[in-house]
Amino acid sequence: NAGVTQTPKFQVLKTGQSMTLQCAQDMNHNSMYWYRQDPGMGLRLIYYSASEGTTDKGEVPNGYNVSRLNKREFSLRLESAAPSQTSVYFCASSDRITGELFFGEGSRLTVL
Amino acid sequence: GENVEQHPSTLSVQEGDSAVIKCTYSDSASNYFPWYKQELGKRPQLIIDIRSNVGEKKDQRIAVTLNKTAKHFSLHITETQPEDSAVYFCAARVPDKLIFGTGTRLQVFP
Repeated sequence: NAGVTQTPKFQVLKTGQSMTLQCAQDMNHNSMYWYRQDPGMGLRLIYYSASEGTTDKGEVPNGYNVSRLNKREFSLRLESAAPSQTSVYFCASSDRITGELFFGEGSRLTVL
Repeated sequence: GENVEQHPSTLSVQEGDSAVIKCTYSDSASNYFPWYKQELGKRPQLIIDIRSNVGEKKDQRIAVTLNKTAKHFSLHITETQPEDSAVYFCAARVPDKLIFGTGTRLQVFP
């Protein structure tokens, strides 16, 4: 039982490059989330998907796009990376009844 | 939208003392308030949570209190130990999404 798996764990990009962060969960959760974590700013919600087929903006969606590919997978895309997007990205999923979030291990992204 | 404020940002205590972290939220529709602990380089993990129909919940050395009228909830850790050193995040849930506070770095000195 892997829980929430996200890839890659580390990535270095140049300004303007694009990339996709992949996330998959095996807990049959309806809801999935992407957060970014920056020093002193906590975990900020980028996008979320309350159920398969739906996505919604969170607190800081600019510069990102998401795809809920199926119930298991939720990807985050940076179309044109900027240094301000240097951060640690966490994918999470939750059961809609309990509300508990289960996080992936995180992906450290550096944009030069 | 929901806004969660958390204080203090850093907290240093002596081993055996108590630690209290406080959070306020803005959206009266919030109904679920979890606390997460994040150790250095690790993912956040749930340590305790409380729902809006409960005023207090305790689990061994940790407890959480909720004041819905004041839109305020707190984490209490008693008899702190060095392994309690970590960053703690509060959060509030409005339908379908969880909004986090900015975190409290707790250091417990032996």
